[in-house]
Amino acid sequence: GIQVEQSPPDLILQEGANSTLRCNFSDSVNNLQWFHQNPWGQLINLFYIPSGTKQNGRLSATTVATERYSLLYISSSQTTDSGVYFCAVKRGSTLGRLYFGRGTQLTVWP
Amino acid sequence: SAVISQKPSRDICQRGTSLTIQCQVDSQVTMMFWYRQQPGQSLTLIATANQGSEATYESGFVIDKFPISRPNLTFSTLTVSNMSPEDSSIYLCSVEDRGLGLYGYTFGSGTRLTVV
Repeated sequence: GIQVEQSPPDLILQEGANSTLRCNFSDSVNNLQWFHQNPWGQLINLFYIPSGTKQNGRLSATTVATERYSLLYISSSQTTDSGVYFCAVKRGSTLGRLYFGRGTQLTVWP
Repeated sequence: SAVISQKPSRDICQRGTSLTIQCQVDSQVTMMFWYRQQPGQSLTLIATANQGSEATYESGFVIDKFPISRPNLTFSTLTVSNMSPEDSSIYLCSVEDRGLGLYGYTFGSGTRLTVV
């Protein structure tokens, strides 16, 4: 399968700080998604971003498919941003499964 | 985007019993995926369920332990059989969601299972 590596594994921030999460993947992909898992276990889709840059409020993401990495930026972090951030990719055929990284555990203190 | 209703949201079960988890999608989908997330871990794919055929299981998962039904294009169930404390996990279903993008995926809200 495809390897997905996320860094850092853990991140602790003060409210208001900015952060960058990274996702490296080992093969070409036709899908990359960033998810936020809240404390209740719900997996919320943040970005569908196989290439290019997208922004949604305080969050933005960039995927450089040719260099096999993606970055998730969180600006002016809030305590509600706490949780685990997962990067997941899909390659190849039209129908298939996602491969997940191990996630980044983000804790934002007030 | 597709909307998935997953039930139950959580349960506490006795070892040796079985639990069936349901996922209902508001649109027809070809494939449904079932994942397990053990405490503190990432998501692991259990199986892929197509309508009208046997589910395809990943290495380490077997049909006797995790039987799956897919009676139509909007519904699927996963049963966790003969449970042990090691089965305590979050279980999630997922579908391809063209509303997100060509190959985007949406997840159900998850079932948090504790086996005692």
